[in-house]
Amino acid sequence: QQQVKQSPQSLIVQKGGISIINCAYENTAFDYFPWYQQFPGKGPALLIAIRPDVSEKKEGRFTISFNKSAKQFSLHIMDSQPGDSATYFCAASMGNAGNMLTFGGGTRLMVKP
Amino acid sequence: DARVTQTPRHKVTEMGQEVTMRCQPILGHNTVFWYRQTMMQGLELLAYFRNRAPLDDSGMPKDRFSAEMPDATLATLKIQPSEPRDSAVYFCASGWASGGNTGELFFGEGSRLTVL
Repeated sequence: QQQVKQSPQSLIVQKGGISIINCAYENTAFDYFPWYQQFPGKGPALLIAIRPDVSEKKEGRFTISFNKSAKQFSLHIMDSQPGDSATYFCAASMGNAGNMLTFGGGTRLMVKP
Repeated sequence: DARVTQTPRHKVTEMGQEVTMRCQPILGHNTVFWYRQTMMQGLELLAYFRNRAPLDDSGMPKDRFSAEMPDATLATLKIQPSEPRDSAVYFCASGWASGGNTGELFFGEGSRLTVL
């Protein structure tokens, strides 16, 4: 049972462009929405996270947009760079489940020079 | 530099053999997770421990998989007998959770398992 759906599965963007990855969730009890970045041969690492009391969070070139009513959130990577090429996972968790994360299916991003 | 350590990094075995993967979580963390990553299924949760107690293993095939935390510095995931469909990368992650607070998970570099 996939509770977090992620799209697209793969994405190719030119250097300097904007990368956008979308996620939708079903469980309204989710209250923490992180994005993880994974490079080949490595484990996922936290990139940025948001809680549903705000609609947007920005850290450098990375922005999360959150739409509580639509149960959707997205990651925007501005001025995408070849070094951003990686797999990105959205995730969600509930407060009473500690930090147990339910992950989306992942998006493989390639940024062309 | 605190990190989650997993062994082995790579394992090739034959169908029917027992496989044991080990994880040393970051000192002081009270939650430990095992995830399995495949191309088709993404990151699947297999087991979740909090303060060494198993809280959720609903994603784990019980007939062949088992997960334990014999002490705070070691978590193990065992497959017996292994099957080709178990071929995947297995990740261990640890973090700190207190009450309803949600904290960051730190992942190891994974154990790549190939079952022939």
